[in-house]
Amino acid sequence: NAGVTQTPKFRILKIGQSMTLQCTQDMNHNYMYWYRQDPGMGLKLIYYSVGAGITDKGEVPNGYNVSRSTTEDFPLRLELAAPSQTSVYFCASTRTQGYTFGSGTRLTVV
Amino acid sequence: AQSVTQPDIHITVSEGASLELRCNYSYGATPYLFWYVQSPGQGLQLLLKYFSGDTLVQGIKGFEAEFKRSQSSFNLRKPSVHWSDAAEYFCAKGHDMRFGAGTRLTVKP
Repeated sequence: NAGVTQTPKFRILKIGQSMTLQCTQDMNHNYMYWYRQDPGMGLKLIYYSVGAGITDKGEVPNGYNVSRSTTEDFPLRLELAAPSQTSVYFCASTRTQGYTFGSGTRLTVV
Repeated sequence: AQSVTQPDIHITVSEGASLELRCNYSYGATPYLFWYVQSPGQGLQLLLKYFSGDTLVQGIKGFEAEFKRSQSSFNLRKPSVHWSDAAEYFCAKGHDMRFGAGTRLTVKP
């Protein structure tokens, strides 16, 4: 049972490049979330999803997009990377109890 | 508006002393509440959660938290802190999992 898997673990992007952060869970969880954590700070919710085909904005959605075509996958898309998006990104999932977090993706935009 | 407030940015306690980390939330219809711990360079681990029922919740690693509706609080406690408890602690609320800013715990020998 893999839980929540995030790829890649590390990535360096140039300003203006795009990329997709992958998140997959194998627990049949309905709810999935994307967070960013800046150094010394708490987690800020970017987007979340309550099920396949349904997504909603969190606290800091600007500069990001998501999709939820399947229950398992919740990719996060950065279209035009900016230095302000340098952060650690965490994906999480739950059904009703037992939230599980991925190990994170450390993204640097230079 | 901030949904979850952790008033203490950094707390230092001596090993073996008791601990209380504060968490206040803006009231919602269903105050699902959580505490997470994050060790340096690691992801988050769920310590405990409150959905309903008994307001005193037991978690892993000897932690407990008490839900007090009248005070809009969900403080985390541990009777005797171990050096390995040094970490960042986050309170979170709701299905959309809004997090507080975190409290960094330092444990003195």
